[in-house]
Amino acid sequence: EDKVVQSPLSLVVHEGDTVTLNCSYEVTNFRSLLWYKQEKKAPTFLFMLTSSGIEKKSGRLSSILDKKELFSILNITATQTGDSAVYLCAVEGRRSNTGKLIFGQGTTLQVKP
Amino acid sequence: KAGVTQTPRYLIKTRGQQVTLSCSPISGHRSVSWYQQTPGQGLQFLFEYFSETQRNKGNFPGRFSGRQFSNSRSEMNVSTLELGDSALYLCASSSGTETQYFGPGTRLLVL
Repeated sequence: EDKVVQSPLSLVVHEGDTVTLNCSYEVTNFRSLLWYKQEKKAPTFLFMLTSSGIEKKSGRLSSILDKKELFSILNITATQTGDSAVYLCAVEGRRSNTGKLIFGQGTTLQVKP
Repeated sequence: KAGVTQTPRYLIKTRGQQVTLSCSPISGHRSVSWYQQTPGQGLQFLFEYFSETQRNKGNFPGRFSGRQFSNSRSEMNVSTLELGDSALYLCASSSGTETQYFGPGTRLLVL
């Protein structure tokens, strides 16, 4: 059965710290891995990763995928209180399952001033 | 471009009733997926519609159904509501080949 596991489940840091969030997966015929940020509303898209070893960056956030070891990490540098949110990792499997994302449990990040 | 919109935003129902939720995708997007989010189970896939056809279905009972119209708007229906159906229902749209963008969700409370 397809599965996505995130760690840690929760994290408390102080402003300015760097955090690394982990996502491991088991999916039949991997297609893409996505990261979303969810505050008290709908998940907002951060990154979509399809190729191994290519880092995607957006400001202080970056992410990379390792398709051999079946995991991805999301890095946030110089954290700010506005980074406090639940970070969700999702995987899309084989072509016949297009449109179906399998989500991990999420990592709840709290950034203290 | 306007984002994904969902109506209503909040809903309170009682056990045994039925409910219909609506989702309007981003203009030009033909795929609409529905998800249920609860504290215990997280985000779980319900079903996906593409060009008015259900293309994928998750592991939910038959009380959960949906449809998509020719303008790509989608509705989700839950019949014979149970307390455990209380959740945030999210819909997401995509062009069918790219990433999914989520709407604000409908928060359903079943009493």
